[in-house]
Amino acid sequence: AQSVTQPDIHITVSEGASLELRCNYSYGATPYLFWYVQSPGQGLQLLLKYFSGDTLVQGIKGFEAEFKRSQSSFNLRKPSVHWSDAAEYFCAASGYDYKLSFGAGTTVTVRA
Amino acid sequence: GAGVSQTPSNKVTEKGKYVELRCDPISGHTALYWYRQSLGQGPEFLIYFQGTGAADDSGLPNDRFFAVRPEGSVSTLKIQRTERGDSAVYLCASSPSDRVGETQYFGPGTRLLVL
Repeated sequence: AQSVTQPDIHITVSEGASLELRCNYSYGATPYLFWYVQSPGQGLQLLLKYFSGDTLVQGIKGFEAEFKRSQSSFNLRKPSVHWSDAAEYFCAASGYDYKLSFGAGTTVTVRA
Repeated sequence: GAGVSQTPSNKVTEKGKYVELRCDPISGHTALYWYRQSLGQGPEFLIYFQGTGAADDSGLPNDRFFAVRPEGSVSTLKIQRTERGDSAVYLCASSPSDRVGETQYFGPGTRLLVL
């Protein structure tokens, strides 16, 4: 079955420190991969997406993600977090259709 | 421009009642999706519209759930005989087309609580 796994439910990081959120997928073929962020009262906002080509993808708000086929992973990174990055982050995937399958999400807390 | 809007933002109802949740997609977007997000989980696909027709309703949990999009724009998700297990955030998304990998733009959701 197709699935997306985010192993970390909650991560706490200090402001200015680096952040890495893990995502693993299980699909028959390489899916289309996405990272969304959800802030309280806000809709899901797309940070970046990967289809093919360069395995390092740049997104908005200083985020990047790296696709590793050998590890079936698509981890999200940010070199230096800001307090405004506190939110819930979702990794998602789709096959050759429009349905997004989401992971359970990782909540990021930023401490001063 | 205006994003996807959903009304109401919150809905509290009693078990057994009927509810309607509304979604206004981004103008010009032909594809519309409904997802359900239960507490502590990621969104799960419910139904997809291309234009006025429901192209895929395979995610609807049972026949108490129904959705329409009569004019190819606004969509309404309808839940009959609500149950406590229906409590969740219902998300709507739209995209310019249903091309594979097309970005889906999400609304803020309707938080439904069934007492």
